[in-house]
Formats: sequence, structure tokens, C-alpha cells
Amino acid sequence: AQKVTQAQTEISVVEKEDVTLDCVYETRDTTYYLFWYKQPPSGELVFLIRRNSFDEQNEISGRYSWNFQKSTSSFNFTITASQVVDSAVYFCALSPRIGAAGNKLTFGGGTRVLVKP
Amino acid sequence: NAGVTQTPKFRILKIGQSMTLQCTQDMNHNYMYWYRQDPGMGLKLIYYSVGAGITDKGEVPNGYNVSRSTTEDFPLRLELAAPSQTSVYFCASIGDRGPDQPQHFGDGTRLSIL
Repeated sequence: AQKVTQAQTEISVVEKEDVTLDCVYETRDTTYYLFWYKQPPSGELVFLIRRNSFDEQNEISGRYSWNFQKSTSSFNFTITASQVVDSAVYFCALSPRIGAAGNKLTFGGGTRVLVKP
Repeated sequence: NAGVTQTPKFRILKIGQSMTLQCTQDMNHNYMYWYRQDPGMGLKLIYYSVGAGITDKGEVPNGYNVSRSTTEDFPLRLELAAPSQTSVYFCASIGDRGPDQPQHFGDGTRLSIL
């Protein structure tokens, strides 16, 4: 069985502060995929990043960066110099290898980020 | 390119009523999913389908039914609405490359049962 834990339910920061969202996962698969999604107040789900289990390189995209550590089963997400527009709920998700278990996504409970001006 | 389209966007039901949430995609995806998101919570899988004519239960299937007669459509049926089914429902699809690509999500259906 797969499980994703986002221990932080809500984080409040002042604009321009950095914020790191934790994601810890459990899986018996050796091949799997990890995702981060953003859900702004308007409610839709916005895909941010996908990482497969063989690629442990960290990734940076503008003010966003991701730290994947297979040894600790973690896939953490950092927003640098946060902005009010970053206020949203962020979900970490896990999928098995291609074609396994219907390619189902298992979501964490989400972390609400509130960026105050 | 419409992607995944869900209708209706909002609905209020009375306890015991039934309704069908519609989901259609125009990307010829084989894999389709229904999730529910309760207030302040993550998404939980209700049902999924790996192709036309094939459906299977997810984590929280009780009180729901699905069908998949075509590749494009994956409706979700609530037969006897209960207050516990008040939630936001998301439909999603993915192509045959599976998780090597992101799931496409609809904009959600907000359902209240009173």
C-alpha cells in the first residue's frame, strides 16, 4: 500500500520569506513517481512537478525548488521569496510505475500556505 | 482542446435524491479517475477505469457507482445522497504513458447535500 504524509497542515509566512513544505511517502515499489500540485483559492488543481524514483537530482524552477531524498523517502518543496500569489494548498502525491495499479495517484492531506503582505 | 470537462460545477441535493456527475475528456485517454475532496482534506480515490468497459473501486467507493461505456465519458452516480457525500468531486484522466505524464484534472463539482 502507498501512503503520503504531509505533516504540516498550515504554514503562515510574511511575504519574501522562504517556506518549505515537507512530504514523506511510503511505498514497496522500487519504481514510482512523485508529484506536487497546487490548489489556489479558485479550487482547480495545478500540476507543478513530476519526479521519478531514479532521478534524485534536485530541481529548481524560478522561485520553486524540490529536494528528493530517496534514503529518507522525502520529496520536499521550497518556495523562495514567497509572494501573496503563492497562497494556496499544496499537495504531494505518489504513483506506482507505469501500468501498475491503474496508475492511481495517492495524495497527501495537503499543506495550506498563507503568505501575508 | 477542452481537456477534462465536468458538469455541473455546483449542485445542492436533498438527502435521498440521486444524481449523476458528468465527466468527459477529449484526449483519448484510457485511464480515468474520480476523486472526492472533503473540506480541508486531500483527495481520495472513489473509482477508476483503465479503459472502456473496465472499472474498479478506489479507496472510498461506498455510495457511488460508475460506468465507462466510451473512452470519453466516465459518469459518477450517487443513488441515495447522504450528508457525508458533501464534497468537491474531481475527475481526472491520464494517457497510456501513465505517471510519466501528469494527470489532467477537471475543475471540480461542488456538491452539497442538505
